[in-house]
Amino acid sequence: GAVVSQHPSWVICKSGTSVKIECRSLDFQATTMFWYRQFPKQSLMLMATSNEGSKATYEQGVEKDKFLINHASLTLSTLTVTSAHPEDSSFYICSAPNRETDTQYFGPGTRLTVL
Amino acid sequence: DQQVKQNSPSLSVQEGRISILNCDYTNSMFDYFLWYKKYPAEGPTFLISISSIKDKNEDGRFTVFLNKSAKHLSLHIVPSQPGDSAVYFCAASPFSSGTYKYIFGTGTRLKVLA
Repeated sequence: GAVVSQHPSWVICKSGTSVKIECRSLDFQATTMFWYRQFPKQSLMLMATSNEGSKATYEQGVEKDKFLINHASLTLSTLTVTSAHPEDSSFYICSAPNRETDTQYFGPGTRLTVL
Repeated sequence: DQQVKQNSPSLSVQEGRISILNCDYTNSMFDYFLWYKKYPAEGPTFLISISSIKDKNEDGRFTVFLNKSAKHLSLHIVPSQPGDSAVYFCAASPFSSGTYKYIFGTGTRLKVLA
């Protein structure tokens, strides 16, 4: 079964609204989680590293005020797309490494469509 | 600057034949490499990995080869099956630095023809 879940799996919102996406590790604790974005027919682009108990680390070119990340517990990280615009429409995927097994697990992804 | 490159966006192979997917990287700090398979609208699924201390790792029909001097890795699938049709991403990480941060290639769409 899935070891990393994401919610919601898809969301449609109006331009200007904010959308929160949750990423949960289901049977292991993850002090670090990663958020990726995938445009159609393109690679997964790492957006940021979510760190439990501290600030997220953003990749170059990713606006931290636009994509708010909160890693509130050892099993939950949230990505909030603030004041969403149509260009934010994308497929967002999180991942969480299980350090005991040295395996990184990916969530099923969230399809965001901003109208 | 694309640190991990997959120069073939697509590949078609006949069922039963070998599929070879290639990946090049530029960052010499990368020491752990993975291949993921991805279906549309789903998250990636881990396939196989290799650490830089090895030059080959095999798991069933999947074999990954690493050429450190050329900064090149490849995934061989043999025999190829129609269910292997998907997009394959290679990913690299400076693992020994203690990070699980992966940089992904651009992906290769494999189509296995029955």
